[in-house]
Amino acid sequence: KQEVTQIPAALSVPEGENLVLNCSFTDSAIYNLQWFRQDPGKGLTSLLLIQSSQREQTSGRLNASLDKSSGRSTLYIAASQPGDSATYLCAVRSDNTDKLIFGTGTRLQVFP
Amino acid sequence: ETGVTQSPTHLIKTRGQQVTLRCSSQSGHNTVSWYQQALGQGPQFIFQYYREEENGRGNFPPRFSGLQFPNYSSELNVNALELDDSALYLCASSLGQGRDTQYFGPGTRLTVL
Repeated sequence: KQEVTQIPAALSVPEGENLVLNCSFTDSAIYNLQWFRQDPGKGLTSLLLIQSSQREQTSGRLNASLDKSSGRSTLYIAASQPGDSATYLCAVRSDNTDKLIFGTGTRLQVFP
Repeated sequence: ETGVTQSPTHLIKTRGQQVTLRCSSQSGHNTVSWYQQALGQGPQFIFQYYREEENGRGNFPPRFSGLQFPNYSSELNVNALELDDSALYLCASSLGQGRDTQYFGPGTRLTVL
């Protein structure tokens, strides 16, 4: 059974810092992995999608890497801003299903 | 291009009642998935519809049921509501049986008293 874990559960950093969010999954047989952002009480915004054959994806100040064999992904946020404050969720889609399995998220606060 | 929309935004029901939540998928998307997100948790997959057929189901009892219409919009129905059904219900749409990026709606906040 696929399980997704995110560490740390919460993170508070000053503006301008570079930071790394971690995601691990127990079954390496995944189709792809997706990172989302969720503002309080709101829906999810897709940030990056990494296919199982890819090693990383970049969008602006965000970079996500995938090491399928070790069951790990990281989301790197460069030069953090207060507007980055949100909960970040990673989700995996396994080869034999169409559903997303989510971690419990990392709650990020960036203070001025 | 219209994004994923959900209605209503908020809903309050009492135990034992029934509720219907609605979702309009993003233009051109033929797959809709429903998720339940309890406070402080990640979303849990309820089920998915592809071209009006259920195409995968999570670990939810039969009182959670759904429909997808010819225009690919969808409904989630929950019968015999329980207190633990209180959650944010999220709808996501995508192309090609959910194997691509899923785009989420803003959610419906359901409170069961």
